[in-house]
Amino acid sequence: GNSVTQMEGPVTLSEEAFLTINCTYTATGYPSLFWYVQYPGEGLQLLLKATKADDKGSNKGFEATYRKETTSFHLEKGSVQVSDSAVYFCALSDSNFNKFYFGSGTKLNVKP
Amino acid sequence: DGGITQSPKYLFRKEGQNVTLSCEQNLNHDAMYWYRQDPGQGLRLIYYSQIVNDFQKGDIAEGYSVSREKKESFPLTVTSAQKNPTAFYLCASTHDRGANYGYTFGSGTRLTVV
Repeated sequence: GNSVTQMEGPVTLSEEAFLTINCTYTATGYPSLFWYVQYPGEGLQLLLKATKADDKGSNKGFEATYRKETTSFHLEKGSVQVSDSAVYFCALSDSNFNKFYFGSGTKLNVKP
Repeated sequence: DGGITQSPKYLFRKEGQNVTLSCEQNLNHDAMYWYRQDPGQGLRLIYYSQIVNDFQKGDIAEGYSVSREKKESFPLTVTSAQKNPTAFYLCASTHDRGANYGYTFGSGTRLTVV
């Protein structure tokens, strides 16, 4: 079956620190992979995506590379800001089954 | 601007009442989805619809009902059979089953039982 596993949070970092949030997946076929961000009291916003192996998605300084050999899609940012404090969700889309599968979310707290 | 509008933003329900959450999109998306999010939890799929007049149960459909009479609208009714309805409800849509562009989400409705 399809599933997404994210690292447990919360993750607490100081401003300008390096961020990694781990995400691994199990899927049949060839899924597309996504990272979403959720700010308090709001819906989810698409942060970045990758639709095939070895693709790198990037946006707003965040990056993630679709690694088929390790079934991973880890989110990274070189220098976090206080405004990056949010919950981050990893997700995969299996178009054959018309459904998304979300990880449980990782809360990021960035301190000034 | 195109997007998804959920209303109301906050909703209070008394025990035994049915309530309906609205979800409207002007993105011309075919597929629409309802998710439930509990504090500190991930998203759980309630119902989804890929075309008008058709919908399927998700993982936690019990106590909920939906309709899809128009492409733009996918209202969710939380019935009195849902024993623990207090949660944050998110509506989403996509036009390609999500494979290339992902989902677009609304801003959510927070439902509280009083």
